[in-house]
Amino acid sequence: AQSVSQHNHHVILSEAASLELGCNYSYGGTVNLFWYVQYPGQHLQLLLKYFSGDPLVKGIKGFEAEFIKSKFSFNLRKPSVQWSDTAEYFCAVTPISSGSARQLTFGSGTQLTVLP
Amino acid sequence: DTAVSQTPKYLVTQMGNDKSIKCEQNLGHDTMYWYKQDSKKFLKIMFSYNNKELIINETVPNRFSPKSPDKAHLNLHINSLELGDSAVYFCASIGGFYNEQFFGPGTRLTVL
Repeated sequence: AQSVSQHNHHVILSEAASLELGCNYSYGGTVNLFWYVQYPGQHLQLLLKYFSGDPLVKGIKGFEAEFIKSKFSFNLRKPSVQWSDTAEYFCAVTPISSGSARQLTFGSGTQLTVLP
Repeated sequence: DTAVSQTPKYLVTQMGNDKSIKCEQNLGHDTMYWYKQDSKKFLKIMFSYNNKELIINETVPNRFSPKSPDKAHLNLHINSLELGDSAVYFCASIGGFYNEQFFGPGTRLTVL
C-alpha cells in the first residue's frame, strides 16, 4: 500500500516570502501525484497534478511542484506567498494500476499561515 | 453547475441517533468515495463505489453503511452515532484517464 509523508505540520511565513512544502511518498510502482488546498471552512480544491512528462508542473495561483522520481518527492513551491494563501495543503498520491479503485492516499497536511 | 454536491452542509445531532448524508455528482463518473476528515485535518478514505458496487471498505465500523442507488449518487447512513463520529465528511468522484478526484463541499457532523 502507498503512503504519503508531509514533514512540515505548520509553516508560518511573512508575505512575499518564498514557500516550499515537502511531500514524499512510498510506492513501488507508477503514481499520479496531486496537491490540494483547503481554505478555512471550505472543501478541497485541486492546486496541481502530475501524471507524466515534464516533472515540473504549474498549477493555479502561482504554485508549482517538481516530481523527483529518484527521491519519491513532489514538493510544492511558490516564489512569493500572499496572505490569501493561508490554508491547509495536502499532498496526495494514487497508483496507476489495473482495477477501478484509484484510491487517493493523502498526507497529513501542512497548515500554512501567512502573516500580513 | 455544482459538480459534486452534498447535503446537508451541517448536521448537529445527539448520540445514539441515526443520520444520513447525501451525495450527488453530475460529472458522469463511475467511481465515488467517502472520506472522513478528523479534527486534526487528517483525511482518510472510508468507502469507494464503482458503478453502484462497493470496491473499497476501509476499517470503518459497520454502523456506517453506504448506499448507491445509481452511479451518480452515494449516500452515507450512520447508525447509533457516537461522539467520535464528529468530523467533516467529504464525498468525491473520479473519472477518465487522469485519476483526478472532485470533492464535494463537505458535511460537518457534530455529535453531542
